[in-house]
Amino acid sequence: DAKTTQPNSMESNEEEPVHLPCNHSTISGTDYIHWYRQLPSQGPEYVIHGLTSNVNNRMASLAIAEDRKSSTLILHRATLRDAAVYYCILHQAGTALIFGKGTTLSVSS
Amino acid sequence: NAGVTQTPKFRVLKTGQSMTLLCAQDMNHEYMYWYRQDPGMGLRLIHYSVGEGTTAKGEVPDGYNVSRLKKQNFLLGLESAAPSQTSVYFCASSYSTQNTGELFFGEGSRLTVL
Repeated sequence: DAKTTQPNSMESNEEEPVHLPCNHSTISGTDYIHWYRQLPSQGPEYVIHGLTSNVNNRMASLAIAEDRKSSTLILHRATLRDAAVYYCILHQAGTALIFGKGTTLSVSS
Repeated sequence: NAGVTQTPKFRVLKTGQSMTLLCAQDMNHEYMYWYRQDPGMGLRLIHYSVGEGTTAKGEVPDGYNVSRLKKQNFLLGLESAAPSQTSVYFCASSYSTQNTGELFFGEGSRLTVL
C-alpha cells in the first residue's frame, strides 16, 4: 500500500490560515487523497478528498501537487474547534481506508 | 437519522471473558468497518464487510470475530478477551469503497480488559 508522511504536530493561532502537509511519493495513478480529522474523544470525520485537481468545500481546501507526490490541506481561518488530529490517507477503489498516525494540530487563541 | 450507533460505549472485562460490540447504521450503507485505536496511535482496521453476509480481515484481525447477518448491523466479538485488546473501538460505514466513498464513524466504544 502506498504510504503517507505527515508531521507529528503543528501549531497555529486562531483566525490564521493553516497548511497541513502530506507527502505521498509512492502514490499510484488510481489513488485518491483523502483527509479526515478526529476531534478529541470523537470518531474521525471526513474533511475532503481529491484525485488530481485542487478541491474546495465548506470545511477546507485541498491543494495537490502537479506530480501528485504531495498535497496540502488548507484551513483558511483556524478556530479553536479545529484542534484535532488530521489524517492524510491514500485510497484505492475497492479497499478499506488505512489510517496512519496523522498530524496533531493545536490552535491557540 | 442517528447515523452510526455503537453499543456499549464503555465496558470493563476480565481476561478470558467474552463480549460483543454492536454497530448499527441507518443510512442503508453497504460497507461497514471495525477499527481500534490505542493511545497516541492512529486507527487500525480489524475487520470489514462489503455487504450483508460478507466479512473480510483487516490489518489486525487476530482475536476478533465479526458477523454481518443484517445489512444495518455489524457485530464485533471477542471470544476470550486479553489485556492487549484494551482499546477504543470505532465502527464506520460507507455507501461504497469506491474512491468517493465517505466514511461515517460512530462515537467509539471504550473497552478495558483487566
